[in-house]
Amino acid sequence: EVQLLESGGTLVQPGGFLRLSCAASGFTFSSYAMSWVRQAPGKGLEWVSSSGISGATYYADSVRGRFTISRDSSKDTLFLQMNSLSPEDTAVYYCAKRGPSGTVFFDYWGQGTLVTVSS
Amino acid sequence: QTVVTQEPSFSVSPGGTVTLTCGLNSGSVSTNHYPSWYQQTPGQAPRTLIYSTNTRSSGVPDRFSGSILGNKAALTITGAQADDESDYYCVLYVGSGISVFGGGTKLTVL
Repeated sequence: EVQLLESGGTLVQPGGFLRLSCAASGFTFSSYAMSWVRQAPGKGLEWVSSSGISGATYYADSVRGRFTISRDSSKDTLFLQMNSLSPEDTAVYYCAKRGPSGTVFFDYWGQGTLVTVSS
Repeated sequence: QTVVTQEPSFSVSPGGTVTLTCGLNSGSVSTNHYPSWYQQTPGQAPRTLIYSTNTRSSGVPDRFSGSILGNKAALTITGAQADDESDYYCVLYVGSGISVFGGGTKLTVL
């Protein structure tokens, strides 16, 4: 059974930094691209970043230059380093597994971790 | 800037059929955008419904179907049930590793 467990969300001050983690199990982590998707309170879903199996990384314009996605295949864990946080980054952050090669979608989701940026 | 458009809200009667659409401000949606659809109820993680335009995810009932209608992607729910009342999001792949979510459609079943 695929499981994704996010952690690291908390209250942080504007300008601060935070690292989110996503522990994966139930599949061969190194064989799948992974993504972060966020949802601000009362708002819709927003794709944030993806990490490909080849090491390629991709970012939404809203976070490029501030956020860094990475993965540790020895620990089956995905990370999101978030710097220069602003109140607009307040959201539930979901970790999502991408589908098989040749497809472009999110097939499994974690339950999310809440990041609140406020003074 | 790429914008994916969805109806903000829609209403359907129990047992009825509803089609939600997903458009692109820069032009027509095609299978090359790999349209996918997700269902979300308040406080819950999204659930994957449809991917690659019209492939149902595992366990999704066949009353959910995806297609391209005209210049948009579409999600059709046939025989709507009360527990279909949710927010529905489409995602389009726009290249260079970038996916864009639509703003979501709030579906009411009444």
